[in-house]
Amino acid sequence: ETGVTQSPTHLIKTRGQQVTLRCSSQSGHNTVSWYQQALGQGPQFIFQYYREEENGRGNFPPRFSGLQFPNYSSELNVNALELDDSALYLCASSLQGGGEKLFFGSGTQLSVL
Amino acid sequence: DAKTTQPPSMDCAEGRAANLPCNHSTISGNEYVYWYRQIHSQGPQYIIHGLKNNETNEMASLIITEDRKSSTLILPHATLRDTAVYYCIVIRTGTASKLTFGTGTRLQVTL
Repeated sequence: ETGVTQSPTHLIKTRGQQVTLRCSSQSGHNTVSWYQQALGQGPQFIFQYYREEENGRGNFPPRFSGLQFPNYSSELNVNALELDDSALYLCASSLQGGGEKLFFGSGTQLSVL
Repeated sequence: DAKTTQPPSMDCAEGRAANLPCNHSTISGNEYVYWYRQIHSQGPQYIIHGLKNNETNEMASLIITEDRKSSTLILPHATLRDTAVYYCIVIRTGTASKLTFGTGTRLQVTL
């Protein structure tokens, strides 16, 4: 158990809809990162939030956006869903200055039909 | 960040040592080697990391060659629960935790 919880665990949406995924960080961690993992592939970095500000972004379009709240929990929002957005979405928390030792949640499995 | 090369799959008998290699021939002096693993249906789990010295913790040992161009993750006594995909990642500390996962090595531990 990492102490990182994600909700929901599974979600089914249709193309064009919007989705919000949620993540609660491990206690004491001030940084949250989001990753997308397609079937059979390694996780791909979407973005990171530190002190409620975006602090690094991967190669994802602007329809992928996020928020970090004062309690360090986070949301990932995806607008105008596409079929290729079907994937496992992983949240990871860490302590800024603690190196790249990330603690991952079990993810949200998103299916876009 | 330096790219890594890992074998796609490996088998290991339970109780034996599992030695997982990783090639990172373009690694820079300020880049660390990190290892994560992902058990089916779970998020990745941190295992160990190192810069140039060999490292050991309760989970595994990390052996980095003197020229730092390759490394080996050693699970000293593999169990069935060690069956997972193992990722070797090279990264500069402080780069926003943007980990670049490849496809990793799928380790199958068998009886």
